Formats: sequence, C-alpha cells, structure tokens
Amino acid sequence: QVQLVESGGGVVQPGRSLRLSCVASGFTFSYSGMHWVRQAPGKGLEWVALTSYDGGNKYYADSVKGRFTISRDNSRNTLFLQMNSLRTDDTAVYFCAKDSSRLGTYSSSSDWGQGTLVTVSS
Amino acid sequence: SYVLTQPPSVSVAPGQTARITCGGNNIESKRVNWYQQRPGQAPVLVIHYSSDRPSGIPERFSGSNSGNTATLTISRVEAGDEADYYCQLWDSSSDHYVFGAGTKVTVL
Repeated sequence: QVQLVESGGGVVQPGRSLRLSCVASGFTFSYSGMHWVRQAPGKGLEWVALTSYDGGNKYYADSVKGRFTISRDNSRNTLFLQMNSLRTDDTAVYFCAKDSSRLGTYSSSSDWGQGTLVTVSS
Repeated sequence: SYVLTQPPSVSVAPGQTARITCGGNNIESKRVNWYQQRPGQAPVLVIHYSSDRPSGIPERFSGSNSGNTATLTISRVEAGDEADYYCQLWDSSSDHYVFGAGTKVTVL
C-alpha cells in the first residue's frame, strides 16, 4: 500500500532555512504528481506546492513563492521542500501528498503522509 | 484568487443525513474534492471530481455540484464520521489549489 513518510521538521529561528523530505513507497513514484500541504496549529489546510511527475512543472502558493522550493529525486523516491527565510507564520504540520495524476493539476490528493511539525520561533 | 466558503460547523444526530456546502463562483464548472480529517490524523480523500468516491470510501458519502454550490452529503451518519471536512479545487486562473476553511461535523 502507499506509504509516505515525512521528516526534517523541528524548531528553527526566523530567517533560517529547513529542508523537509518525504520518502514514498508502495507505488511508482515517478508516475505521480506530488504536493506539500500545511496546517498551522488549530487551523485549516493550506496547499503549499505541487510538482509534476518529472519535476518539469512546479506551482507555489503566493505565501511561499520565492522562499520555498519543491523538488524530487525519482531515483530515490523522495520529495523535498526547501524552506528559506522562514517566518513565524510558517509554523505548521507539513504533509506530503500523492496526486492522482502525473501532472497534478485539475486533480486530487489521493494519499497523505502523517506530517512533520515545523516550528519557527526565536 | 478563488474563494471557497464553508459553514464552520454542522451538527447531526446519528442515523440522520449531514450536508456540508462549499460555495464558490460558478463552482459547477470545476472539479471539487472533499477531504475528511479526524483529530490528530492526516486528511483522507472521500470525494473527487465532485461526485466520485475513491475505492474504500463508504457509499454513505456522496457529492454533488451545481451553480455556485458543491455539497458533500453523508447519509446514515455514524459517530466515526465526526471530523473536519474540507473542499478543494484547482483554480486555473491562478494555477493554485484552493481549500475551503473547513467544516466541523459534530455527531450529537
């Protein structure tokens, strides 16, 4: 069955960087678009970023554009989120999610990891 | 950018029907997804493409989409259906996914 395991979360000071990873198994990773979605404590879901199956197309929420970079290594079945210039309002649980399609647009997130907590605080 | 409007909460007695709405401009032209999130857990896709149920999702969950409102209907509600429910869609004008703010379903 599909498994998505996030890691890399932790406590970081404002302005610093952090890199999240998501290791996938149970499906052909290189065939699926992949997302990062976050959830601030006690708040709703916020879509963060999407990469197509081959990394050729990437999309970002306005709140992270220019600061976050989504990438993937299909040889290692791993999705990444490089987060720079972190702010206190980036504090959230970050989920990776598998898309139902290759491109990831006009689609849905069929499977989700359990998330990793990022806390931005001085 | 595109805005999705959900009621903050819906209460329903066991065995009854819960209807959760998701409002958006001409939303009927878009493919709407619905996710269930139980406390402390990851979201689960319960409806995609507005009315299709992924495998493993009970038939009690159904979706519809007309005009400016998409609706998730949960029939014969059970205690285990108590959760937050989010609608979502792809907004092609901004190349973003958008989530509604979520609806907390309470089973009385």
